[in-house]
Amino acid sequence: ETGVTQSPTHLIKTRGQQVTLRCSSQSGHNTVSWYQQALGQGPQFIFQYYREEENGRGNFPPRFSGLQFPNYSSELNVNALELDDSALYLCASSLGGTPGIFGPGTRLTVL
Amino acid sequence: ELKVEQNPLFLSMQEGKNYTIYCNYSTTSDRLYWYRQDPGKSLESLFVLLSNGAVKQEGRLMASLDTKARLSTLHITAAVHDLSATYFCAAALLFNNDMRFGAGTRLTVKP
Repeated sequence: ETGVTQSPTHLIKTRGQQVTLRCSSQSGHNTVSWYQQALGQGPQFIFQYYREEENGRGNFPPRFSGLQFPNYSSELNVNALELDDSALYLCASSLGGTPGIFGPGTRLTVL
Repeated sequence: ELKVEQNPLFLSMQEGKNYTIYCNYSTTSDRLYWYRQDPGKSLESLFVLLSNGAVKQEGRLMASLDTKARLSTLHITAAVHDLSATYFCAAALLFNNDMRFGAGTRLTVKP
């Protein structure tokens, strides 16, 4: 087992830019969920991908989009970055359903 | 809409003491999770509670679930410094992948 990995670890962007975050799921897992955790708050569900298709979405605008690849790794894309997008972005993988294992996260700072 | 509330949000306790963190949720939930998060780190799964009356224990932590009261508790027995962290509860509905987190309880255990 390799666990869940995320890249990059840290990222600094400016308002209006676009960003792509990556997540590799644990071996054998086919589901990836993405969460946004603002400083001092609990994680908020962005969306989930199951077998390469979106399988549920939280209350986030369309500029948050994602992909899942045949190897079940996933990307989170955020367009037109806003200051409030600064947060820790967590992905979690599971074999269907709600997340089992969380990755280490990507810390995004928007200036 | 499923909402999750934790209390207290901040907890400072002495080593050797006992305390309980409370987690209330607003609508029927099929699953209740407890996570631990150390500063700057990801989420570590502690417990998954699936049915009314479920009780799980690991070391000095014990979690329980009362689905009728829509309440879960995390009880800390004889606290030690290593338990200092932020603890989150999260609730989810069957067939709904939107897992809702509480705001977290920041626990500090002092010698």
